[in-house]
Parts: sequence; structure tokens; C-alpha cells
Amino acid sequence: GAGVSQSPRYKVAKRGQDVALRCDPISGHVSLFWYQQALGQGPEFLTYFQNEAQLDKSGLPSDRFFAERPEGSVSTLKIQRTQQEDSAVYLCASSLAIEQFFGPGTRLTVL
Amino acid sequence: AQRVTQPEKLLSVFKGAPVELKCNYSYSGSPELFWYVQYSRQRLQLLLRHISRESIKGFTADLNKGETSFHLKKPFAQEEDSAMYYCALSVTSGSARQLTFGSGTQLTVLP
Repeated sequence: GAGVSQSPRYKVAKRGQDVALRCDPISGHVSLFWYQQALGQGPEFLTYFQNEAQLDKSGLPSDRFFAERPEGSVSTLKIQRTQQEDSAVYLCASSLAIEQFFGPGTRLTVL
Repeated sequence: AQRVTQPEKLLSVFKGAPVELKCNYSYSGSPELFWYVQYSRQRLQLLLRHISRESIKGFTADLNKGETSFHLKKPFAQEEDSAMYYCALSVTSGSARQLTFGSGTQLTVLP
């Protein structure tokens, strides 16, 4: 079956622009996670959903970051007024139990 | 707060030689530890987890609570093992099972 998909795969934004990153989890997976991976670093947790409920958003770096999963399936990570330090790969993962299945990521470059 | 340390950013070994990728963690509770691997141009995928005590592609990892380590080992490295390896710690925060990753070790197996 299809794995986790993310779109776009690459996004270039000018500083100050808003961006929206999409994640399609594996069908039936209740849990959905967003991670941010800066160059040369491991992924860092941003936020977690169980179905449509956002149960943990402690990793979001600022109030410019917002995530939603309105119908408990597709999720969108929105970054407002992008800054250069937002440049990173944004990973989405979904899970039914313990193992998390990762998408290919969206590479965001802010100029 | 929990932390995962992978002291080696780069590791090179010759084909057929033993390999050990180091991972140390700090966490006051009972940890669940994982190794994830990312092959070139592929997504992050689970290699093994300490709970299952299994051997995947010849790799094993033993949790040593005394030394707070979870080193990944393989007795005879193969060229196809060349990849980025991440050690990760799973922590349950409320109902979330977020992963805390190390910064990764790039393994190169030379012919």
C-alpha cells in the first residue's frame, strides 16, 4: 500500500512569505507527527495529532507555526512570515502503534 | 529532558570489517530505543527497536541501562550498509509518543 506522502517535495519562499506543507498519512493511522530537520541534525519533534486532536504542540518553535488535521486524516503545517532560520526539511510521520512511518519530507528554503 | 547523543558524525569501515555505531541517551524514566536508517535518496525507516530484541540485516543493538547506551553493531559490514543512521528515544508525554533523535552517524562501507 501507499506510504506517507508529502507535498510539495521542495519549496522556495522569500522571507516574509507564508507557506503550507501537506502530509497524507497511511490510511487508518490514528497518530500523526511533524518533525523539523535542520541541515546536519536529526529530526526534532514539532507537534502530534491523535485523530483530529492536536495533543502536543510543545515543539513548535514560535507562534508563526501552526498545524491542523481537521478531519483526522490529511494534515497541514503552516508557517507564517517565514524566516531564514525556518529553512529545513519538514518530516511527517504516521503511526498505528509504536512504529512511526515517515514521509519523504518537504525541503523548505527561505531566501 | 531527554537527550540522545551520537558522538560520531562520520564512520568509515572496510567491507567485511565489524562496525559499531555509538548511541548514548539520558532519560530518567524507562526508555524505548530505536535505530532508524536513511539510505541515499530514500526516506527514514525503522531498522530495529530494543523491545523486540531482533536482528535486522545482521544488525543488533543491546540496551545497557547502566551505561545508558544502545550501540548498533554488525560483525561483517557490507557496502549496502552505507547510509545515515539515527538513534532515537521514544518518550510518552501524555498520550504522545514523540521521538527524540540523535544527530546521526553517516556510515560508509568501503570496498
